[in-house]
Amino acid sequence: AQKVTQAQTEISVVEKEDVTLDCVYETRDTTYYLFWYKQPPSGELVFLIRRNSFDEQNEISGRYSWNFQKSTSSFNFTITASQVVDSAVYFCALSEASSGYALNFGKGTSLLVTP
Amino acid sequence: GAGVSQSPSNKVTEKGKDVELRCDPISGHTALYWYRQSLGQGLEFLIYFQGNSAPDKSGLPSDRFSAERTGGSVSTLTIQRTQQEDSAVYLCASSLDGTYLMNTEAFFGQGTRLTVV
Repeated sequence: AQKVTQAQTEISVVEKEDVTLDCVYETRDTTYYLFWYKQPPSGELVFLIRRNSFDEQNEISGRYSWNFQKSTSSFNFTITASQVVDSAVYFCALSEASSGYALNFGKGTSLLVTP
Repeated sequence: GAGVSQSPSNKVTEKGKDVELRCDPISGHTALYWYRQSLGQGLEFLIYFQGNSAPDKSGLPSDRFSAERTGGSVSTLTIQRTQQEDSAVYLCASSLDGTYLMNTEAFFGQGTRLTVV
C-alpha cells in the first residue's frame, strides 16, 4: 500500500504565483519523520526539510513553508512567489519506526513555473 | 568522501548480461538505500541496509536483483540476466543513522543510468 500520496502529478503556474504541493501520509506509528526533496532537471535529489512526528510547528524558510497537520496526516509544501528555478519534481517521504526508518517516497509532483 | 559516489555513471549492456552497480556512501553513514527511477517516474524503493541489521529487501522486483554491503560501507547492486525493463536510473543514498535518535536526511548520489539494449 502506498504510504505517501502526492495526489498532484503535475502543476503548472506562472511566475510569482503561490503554489501548494500536497502530501498525505499513512502510518500507525507514533514516531516517524517526514521529508521533502527536490529533483531539478539535472537529476540530483536535494534535501529540503525533515520534520519529526512530535513537532507540529510549521516552518518557513525564505519562500518555502511547510504545514504539518497530524489530524489530517498531511505535510503540505507551499512556495510563495514562485520562480522559474523552482521548476522541478518534488518528493515527499515518510520514515517510520516500524519499517526500520527506511525512506518511503511518494510518486512526486512535477512543478513547472513559466515566465 | 564528500558525498555519495556511484559508479559507473552510465552503463549500456546487452539483454541477458549481468551488471554490477557500485555505491560508496558518505563515510560514517550507517544507513544505505537503493532506489530505481524509470523515465518520468517516481522513486521505487529496492533495498535498505541499516548497520549490522538484516537488510530490508522488500523492494527488490525479482530474484534477478541482489545487493550486498561489505564491511558496512560500499554496496554493490547486481542485476542478473538483464531485461529491457531494467533500464532506469539507479540511485543510492546514505544517511548518518536510521534510528529515531539520530535519524537524519538521506544524501543521494548522482545515480547510474542503466540502458539495456
